[in-house]
Amino acid sequence: DTEVTQTPKHLVMGMTNKKSLKCEQHMGHRAMYWYKQKAKKPPELMFVYSYEKLSINESVPSRFSPECPNSSLLNLHLHALQPEDSALYLCASSQAGTGPQPQHFGDGTRLSIL
Amino acid sequence: SQQGEEDPQALSIQEGENATMNCSYKTSINNLQWYRQNSGRGLVHLILIRSNEREKHSGRLRVTLDTSKKSSSLLITASRAADTASYFCATDEGGGGNKLTFGTGTQLKVEL
Repeated sequence: DTEVTQTPKHLVMGMTNKKSLKCEQHMGHRAMYWYKQKAKKPPELMFVYSYEKLSINESVPSRFSPECPNSSLLNLHLHALQPEDSALYLCASSQAGTGPQPQHFGDGTRLSIL
Repeated sequence: SQQGEEDPQALSIQEGENATMNCSYKTSINNLQWYRQNSGRGLVHLILIRSNEREKHSGRLRVTLDTSKKSSSLLITASRAADTASYFCATDEGGGGNKLTFGTGTQLKVEL
């Protein structure tokens, strides 16, 4: 079992829908991440939150809107997505700080856009 | 993109054999990490090596880092069927934010 929990595990949505992906961790980590992973490709960083503040946005389209309501939760709000946005969305967390930190990943939400 | 390259892309070995995966990257780094991903699952952190380290061991894993060649290798000794997974290197350039850039990955299959 992973210590980072992502819900839902699968999501199918139309291009006009609004949905949210959720991520929760109880390891006391103060850095949280969203990644996008296409089939047979490496994860690509989307957003980084550090101490509940957005610190990195990798030029992600505005149809993806992250939110970090508290130190344990991370959401990704989705609106007007395109078929090419179909992918596995991974959440990760780590200790925050200046030293190198391993990241702990959830099992992801597999998103399909119709 | 500063994405690293891994080779081989795919590797098939027999149980008990050793598996070696190589990672090359393009920029100066603060540290390099290796992760494993089983099919349909998230990534699991395996080992972290800092830029001033040359070799690190963890159980059956041995990682080397050559910053002059901008390359790293992961050796898995005495492989098991349970080691079947994709393996990714990830580099941290040290600019803050613990930002990782993942390599292209090696798919390892260990056959009984």
